[in-house]
This record gives sequence, C-alpha cells and structure tokens, in this order.
Amino acid sequence: DAGVTQSPTHLIKTRGQQVTLRCSPKSGHDTVSWYQQALGQGPQFIFQYYEEEERQRGNFPDRFSGHQFPNYSSELNVNALLLGDSALYLCASSQSGQGIPYEQYFGPGTRLTVT
Amino acid sequence: GESVGLHLPTLSVQEGDNSIINCAYSNSASDYFIWYKQESGKGPQFIIDIRSNMDKRQGQRVTVLLNKTVKHLSLQIAATQPGDSAVYFCAEIPDNTDKLIFGTGTRLQVFP
Repeated sequence: DAGVTQSPTHLIKTRGQQVTLRCSPKSGHDTVSWYQQALGQGPQFIFQYYEEEERQRGNFPDRFSGHQFPNYSSELNVNALLLGDSALYLCASSQSGQGIPYEQYFGPGTRLTVT
Repeated sequence: GESVGLHLPTLSVQEGDNSIINCAYSNSASDYFIWYKQESGKGPQFIIDIRSNMDKRQGQRVTVLLNKTVKHLSLQIAATQPGDSAVYFCAEIPDNTDKLIFGTGTRLQVFP
C-alpha cells in the first residue's frame, strides 16, 4: 500500500515563473492538505481539498491555488514566484469522517528553490 | 526535509536515557494536539496525539502530557535510541477545523 507520493522531488524556478506540484494521497484517503515548510520552521497550512473543492485556507495569497481531481489526487499551483516561496512543500492526506484520533499522513515533500 | 531544523533548539541525550521535548501552544480553543517526528529528507510522521479533555496519554515508549492551564505540551521518550534522532514538532488543531498549526520544532540528537 503506497503512502502519500509527491512529484517532483526537487524543482528550481526563476522569479516570476509559475509552478505546479503534484500529490497522490494514501490509498483510501479522500482529503488532501498542503503545507509550506520554510527553512528551520514548522510547516504552515496553505489549504485543504475535499470533494474537489477548497474546504479551508490558511494565510496565503491568491497566487497559491490548487485543484483536486476525481481520483483524489491534487495539485498546488503557485504563480508569479517570489524568492520567499522557496521552501519544502508538503502534501498530507486523510480520510474524512474518520474517528478519533485525527491523523494526517505526510508525503516526503517537494523542495522548491526560486532564484 | 533534509534542511529542516537548521536553527532549531537542540536536545542532546545519551542513548538509553529518557528525553523530554517541550512545546508551548497558542490557541486555548484547540481540540487536539499531535506530536510529529521529521527525519531528514522525509515528511512529518505521526507519533501520538492527545485530546484537550485529557492530560496524559501513553504510547509505545512515548508519553504526551498536556497542561491546558499554561498551554504547554510535552513529549517524553523512554530509553531514547539512535533512531529517535530527528526534529520533533508539536501541532494543534483548532476546534472546528482540520488544519494543523505547527509549533517550533526541536532537534533531538542521540549520542552513544
């Protein structure tokens, strides 16, 4: 049973460009959350997708957008890249309506470097 | 990832000793608290969680303590092993949300 997978592993982009990151959730999971982890910090919540819609959003500008597909996989898009967008982007999946305790499974992340 | 925790607080312990990692959280309305372990090159891995109506929960070699009065959370690892070396994060889940709010991590280094 594959866990959460993300692609690509590493990515280098130039300021002003656009990037798309991909995530496949753990088998049986229907909810995907995205996090940004800057160097030396804890992950910060970007948004969450469920039933192909954005359900919750953190304090990130509209340059950050996403999508969820019918097979529950998800994409994170970032437009007009800034140097400060350089970070590790983590995808986490979970099963909606699961009982207590709540648990999200994280992928290995995509390391984005903006030059 | 491989570069997480460059400037994080570090706890160094000898193999076999017990480790205690502390965390202060911010939202008194949070319903769940979770400890994650992040090894180099990997995403955070769930260790143990505790609900806000509890003050202690035990797992295999780990214990989480919650003090709501001072908004403090701790993770105790018994008989620390080299494989426990990683960055540890506490996270809270505010009531009526599904998002994780992570605290500042602590790097745990285990030496023989």
